[in-house]
Amino acid sequence: NAGVTQTPKFRILKIGQSMTLQCAQDMNHNYMYWYRQDPGMGLKLIYYSVGAGITDKGEVPNGYNVSRSTTEDFPLRLELAAPSQTSVYFCASTRQVSSPLHFGNGTRLTVT
Amino acid sequence: EDKVVQSPLSLVVHEGDTVTLNCSYEVTNFRSLLWYKQEKKAPTFLFMLTSSGIEKKSGRLSSILDKKELSSILNITATQTGDSAIYLCAVEARGSGGSNYKLTFGKGTLLTVNP
Repeated sequence: NAGVTQTPKFRILKIGQSMTLQCAQDMNHNYMYWYRQDPGMGLKLIYYSVGAGITDKGEVPNGYNVSRSTTEDFPLRLELAAPSQTSVYFCASTRQVSSPLHFGNGTRLTVT
Repeated sequence: EDKVVQSPLSLVVHEGDTVTLNCSYEVTNFRSLLWYKQEKKAPTFLFMLTSSGIEKKSGRLSSILDKKELSSILNITATQTGDSAIYLCAVEARGSGGSNYKLTFGKGTLLTVNP
């Protein structure tokens, strides 16, 4: 099993550009999450999904969009990149509530 | 708004020392508290605590939850340089509407173990 796979590992964007961060898991997990981690700030929840076709906002959803058309994939879209979106983004999944999250290795995004 | 506070934010110790990391929380509809270790990349799972007063142990690491005090501690005995990492505390609680569960993370404690 590959677990949770995130691509790309690194990306530099110019202000106003758009991009999609990819996340795929092969564990047949229903729950998937996107977090961002700023230096010294822990992880903040951007969006989450409890199953295909269902998504909901987390703490910091502004500037992002998600979709969940399949159980495996949970892409995160940035439409108009801003410097405040410079961060490390982690995707995570779990089979059910009250189970530990499995994290991907993260995408380091810089917006200049 | 759910809140998770970790202390200290950073800590420097020598190999062989014992450390205690703290996590306190204010959430509605508490379900569980989790500890993760983060080295260079993704956080890795350490413990999940749901019941008060029951210690979870794994080698030199142990953790316990106090639901009355709304807090948890993570102990590491005989620290090694390989314990250097960020330790994250997260609390799972039921979201508004009662159907969804969300995890709220603290800022983490940066532990540095010097030889």
